[in-house]
Amino acid sequence: KAGVTQTPRYLIKTRGQQVTLSCSPISGHRSVSWYQQTPGQGLQFLFEYFSETQRNKGNFPGRFSGRQFSNSRSEMNVSTLELGDSALYLCASSPGDRRSSYEQYFGPGTRLTVT
Amino acid sequence: SQELEQSPQSLIVQEGKNLTINCTSSKTLYGLYWYKQKYGEGLIFLMMLQKGGEEKSHEKITAKLDEKKQQSSLHITASQPSHAGIYLCGVIPGGSNYKLTFGKGTLLTVNP
Repeated sequence: KAGVTQTPRYLIKTRGQQVTLSCSPISGHRSVSWYQQTPGQGLQFLFEYFSETQRNKGNFPGRFSGRQFSNSRSEMNVSTLELGDSALYLCASSPGDRRSSYEQYFGPGTRLTVT
Repeated sequence: SQELEQSPQSLIVQEGKNLTINCTSSKTLYGLYWYKQKYGEGLIFLMMLQKGGEEKSHEKITAKLDEKKQQSSLHITASQPSHAGIYLCGVIPGGSNYKLTFGKGTLLTVNP
């Protein structure tokens, strides 16, 4: 099976702009979660989508949003970028339907730099 | 909210040496995961522990879950340069589904 893919891998944006990141989960997985990783805060949960619905949400401002399509692919959008949004954004896919078999498989990440 | 503390924060060992990384939770553990990350890359799933006393191994890496201590330990035997990276533990906090919380990670360097 192909792994989780994320595009683009690297991105440079300017403050005030918006950005859209894409994640394609493992075939058959219905859950996609997004995380932000920074040196100071570590890995923090943004949100999780399951069957096109946001099922869980972390403590991030409304500038961070996401969506999931019927093929389980997911996008996350950050509007009005701030310097502090510079981070590695990781997505993870999971079957998502049974907690006992819950495992998350991560993509390689998108490195976002805001200047 | 549940917090995970990993110790040590960083570790430098000589190739061939054994080492242990600990992950301690501030609340009851319902399930714990170990991941490895190469700098700037995605996380590689190592193993998941679900029950107190459970022990799992993956090649030369062994992890145990001590429910009473709310702690997990990850032990690497005869370390190799390929073991170098950041090791992260993660849990699903009780009462919230599929919302993985991570420790800050342990940076492991293995010198040849």
